[in-house]
Amino acid sequence: SQQGEEDPQALSIQEGENATMNCSYKTSINNLQWYRQNSGRGLVHLILIRSNEREKHSGRLRVTLDTSKKSSSLLITASRAADTASYFCAKGDKNTGNQFYFGTGTSLTVIP
Amino acid sequence: SQTIHQWPATLVQPVGSPLSLECTVEGTSNPNLYWYRQAAGRGLQLLFYSVGIGQISSEVPQNLSASRPQDRQFILSSKKLLLSDSGFYLCAWSVSEMTDTQYFGPGTRLTVL
Repeated sequence: SQQGEEDPQALSIQEGENATMNCSYKTSINNLQWYRQNSGRGLVHLILIRSNEREKHSGRLRVTLDTSKKSSSLLITASRAADTASYFCAKGDKNTGNQFYFGTGTSLTVIP
Repeated sequence: SQTIHQWPATLVQPVGSPLSLECTVEGTSNPNLYWYRQAAGRGLQLLFYSVGIGQISSEVPQNLSASRPQDRQFILSSKKLLLSDSGFYLCAWSVSEMTDTQYFGPGTRLTVL
């Protein structure tokens, strides 16, 4: 499958701790994006990282990309209860005809 | 600013009944439009995408169809619903290419009984 996998599938942490989620993929990519989904809601775009970039930051979010290992990680620092959500990575691969694949997601629970 | 609307928010339909879900985008012109389905606890499956009026690409053969009668309107339909059509349906748009950032609507929860 060209879809990558997020790891872990579920993560439970205490408020204030850092949360790290990983995303692996199998084919080449042009970019990789991270999205958040609160329960029963639509997805919200968090960060886009291009294949020639290695790290990007947005507030408490840090995304890294290692194209040699075909993996990316999302780090949420100083987590808050409001960060409780599912997090998905999506891989953009123009080489296969503008394909855009979502992973299966990591369910994050931040305990107050 | 751009906004995307979906309706209805929730829908309960009997097996064999027709379906029509609507998605509209405001504040942008000629967007790419997408329909996704999300099964419970699963990732997103791309169903259809459109790069312009009347242009529909199907990603997965199934019981559903899509239409784009206007630039910023995208409709998901079925003539006869199956139990397996139950799920969370999400509409999204992007400025141009599929690999651009996609902006999602609030979704429609469809339950087929």
